[in-house]
Amino acid sequence: DVKVTQSSRYLVKRTGEKVFLECVQDMDHENMFWYRQDPGLGLRLIYFSYDVKMKEKGDIPEGYSVSREKKERFSLILESASTNQTSMYLCASSSAGVSNQPQHFGDGTRLSIL
Amino acid sequence: AQSVTQLDSQVPVFEEAPVELRCNYSSSVSVYLFWYVQYPNQGLQLLLKYLSGSTLVESINGFEAEFNKSQTSFHLRKPSVHISDTAEYFCAVSKNTGNQFYFGTGTSLTVIP
Repeated sequence: DVKVTQSSRYLVKRTGEKVFLECVQDMDHENMFWYRQDPGLGLRLIYFSYDVKMKEKGDIPEGYSVSREKKERFSLILESASTNQTSMYLCASSSAGVSNQPQHFGDGTRLSIL
Repeated sequence: AQSVTQLDSQVPVFEEAPVELRCNYSSSVSVYLFWYVQYPNQGLQLLLKYLSGSTLVESINGFEAEFNKSQTSFHLRKPSVHISDTAEYFCAVSKNTGNQFYFGTGTSLTVIP
């Protein structure tokens, strides 16, 4: 089975801090994704990556950046955390080539910015 | 542009009753369709998917969904729900090109004893 591991289940940070959320997958997937999930809004795509050192903006990239130095790891960075970034963050991965491959999700990181 | 609409944000239903969670999508190209389930404090898990072939697809825990191209729908059904089915359900589509998914806003299913 595909395993997508997010480094923290719960995280509390202060406004203005630089925050790193880490995600690792063990199935050699080319594609990796970061979403945030908010009540009534569903999942919104922040950034995605099709390959090492490659990134694409999703629907809501403002205030975030990403890093993909190794194939298995995709990091989400909040450059200067703000209270409106309090949310559930979900990482996902999928294999490349065909778009009918499902995305596999981690358990999420519930981030609170105080 | 693609969009996915889940018409019901919350669906309460009594145990052993049938349920239907509605999903409609809009797309100018062919799509693949998915339902995901999210149990409390967990990530999303794939429930079932439609790629091609038979328009009726089933999951191992009794859910089924039917792809209706003319109505651009992919509604999820179960004839008899259990308490353990209480969860958030997300419909998603992907185009036949590219790897991006488009998710609906989710339907919270609550099964009442």
